[in-house]
Amino acid sequence: GQQLNQSPQSMFIQEGEDVSMNCTSSSIFNTWLWYKQDPGEGPVLLIALYKAGELTSNGRLTAQFGITRKDSFLNISASIPSDVGIYFCAGVTTSGTYKYIFGTGTRLKVLA
Amino acid sequence: GAGVSQSPSNKVTEKGKDVELRCDPISGHTALYWYRQSLGQGLEFLIYFQGNSAPDKSGLPSDRFSAERTGGSVSTLTIQRTQQEDSAVYLCASSLWEGNEQFFGPGTRLTVL
Repeated sequence: GQQLNQSPQSMFIQEGEDVSMNCTSSSIFNTWLWYKQDPGEGPVLLIALYKAGELTSNGRLTAQFGITRKDSFLNISASIPSDVGIYFCAGVTTSGTYKYIFGTGTRLKVLA
Repeated sequence: GAGVSQSPSNKVTEKGKDVELRCDPISGHTALYWYRQSLGQGLEFLIYFQGNSAPDKSGLPSDRFSAERTGGSVSTLTIQRTQQEDSAVYLCASSLWEGNEQFFGPGTRLTVL
C-alpha cells in the first residue's frame, strides 16, 4: 500500500543529543500524526497537527506541520534511553473516505 | 474501557484453519480501523468502520479476509484458510470520528504454522 517517505530509517545517538526525523509526501494532508511504538506494543500517539505551519510541543518533543502540507518533522531534545523505539508519522487525507497513510518508521537507538 | 483492547494477544494456528481476532474500541469512539504489521515493517491498512459501515475495504489483501462491526462497538477480523504469509501482528485502532487521531490497541500476534 501507499506509504510516506520517512527518514532516517534508523539512527544511533548518544544520550543527551537532539534528534530530528521527517516525513515527506507528494500528496497533501489535512492532519499529521506522530506515533512511537515500543517492542510488542501498539503505537502510542505523541503529537497531532491540524494546520499548515502549526508547531506543537509535548515535553521534549516538538513537531511541525509543513507549510506545503506535504511534510512534517519531529524533534526530540535531550534524548534519554527510554526514547528508544520506532517512530511513525501518519498523514490523514480526505477524498471521499478518510485515509491514514503511515510512514515507514524511524528506528531510534539511544546509547547511554 | 480506558483504551483499545484486543484479543487474543497471541494466536498460533495451523495453515488452512480459520481465525477470528477481536477488537474493543475506546468507549464512544465511532471509527475503528484494522492494520497489519509484519515483522520490522510499517503499518498496512486493511479496513475501517465508521459506525457499523465500512467506507473503505480497499486494504483487505484477499477474499479470505473479512471484518464486521456490530452495535457500533466491537469488531471482529476473520481470516479464513490461513496461510503462512498471514503471520503478522494485527493492530486495531479507534478514533472519536473518522479523520481524528487514532488510538491503538496492543495488537494480536498471529503465527500460522
